Amino acid sequence: AQSVTQPDIHITVSEGASLELRCNYSYGATPYLFWYVQSPGQGLQLLLKYFSGDTLVQGIKGFEAEFKRSQSSFNLRKPSVHWSDAAEYFCAVGARGATNKLIFGTGTLLAVQP
Amino acid sequence: DAGVIQSPRHEVTEMGQEVTLRCKPISGHDYLFWYRQTMMRGLELLIYFNNNVPIDDSGMPEDRFSAKMPNASFSTLKIQPSEPRDSAVYFCASSLEGLAVSYEQYFGPGTRLTVT
Repeated sequence: AQSVTQPDIHITVSEGASLELRCNYSYGATPYLFWYVQSPGQGLQLLLKYFSGDTLVQGIKGFEAEFKRSQSSFNLRKPSVHWSDAAEYFCAVGARGATNKLIFGTGTLLAVQP
Repeated sequence: DAGVIQSPRHEVTEMGQEVTLRCKPISGHDYLFWYRQTMMRGLELLIYFNNNVPIDDSGMPEDRFSAKMPNASFSTLKIQPSEPRDSAVYFCASSLEGLAVSYEQYFGPGTRLTVT
C-alpha cells in the first residue's frame, strides 16, 4: 500500500523568501502525486499534480514541484512567498490501477512573517 | 458552477443523536468522496462512489456510519448513534474522472461536527 510523509509539521518563512515543503512517498511503482492547499475554514484546493512526463510540474499561484524517483520525493517550491500563501499544505499519493483512492500526508502548516 | 455544496456547515449535537451530513457534488462529476479530518488522524477517506454506486467503503470506521447516494446530485453521510470521538470536519469532494485519467478532486467547505 502507498503512504506519504510530510516531515515538517509547521514552517515559518518571511514574506518574499523562498519556500520548499517536503513530501516523501512510499509506493512500489511510479505513483500519481498531488499537492493541495487548505486555507483556514476552507476545503482543499489542488495546486498541482504529477502523472507522468516532465518531472518538474508547474501549478497555480506560482508553485512548482519536482518528482525525484531516486529520492521518492515530490517537494513543493515557490521562489517568493506572499502573505496570502499562509495555509496548510497537503501532499497526496494515488496508486496506479483500479483504485481511485488518494492517501494524504498529515500536512504542513505554513506561517508567513511580514 | 457553485462548486461542491455541503450542509450544514456546523453541527453540534449530543451523544447518541443521529447526525446527517449532506453533499451536492458538481454537476456532471461521476465520483463522490467523503473524508474526515481530525488533528490526530489527518485527512481520511471514508467512502467513495462512482456513478452513485459505493465502490470502496473500507474507510468507514464502524457500523454507526452509513453513506448513500440516491442520485447523481445528492449524497448523505449518517452517523447513528453519534459519539464524542466522531467530532471532526467532514469533507465531501467530487471529481469528473477517475485517477487514471486526470483526476482533480474538488472539495466542499466541510461540515464541522461537534458531539458533546
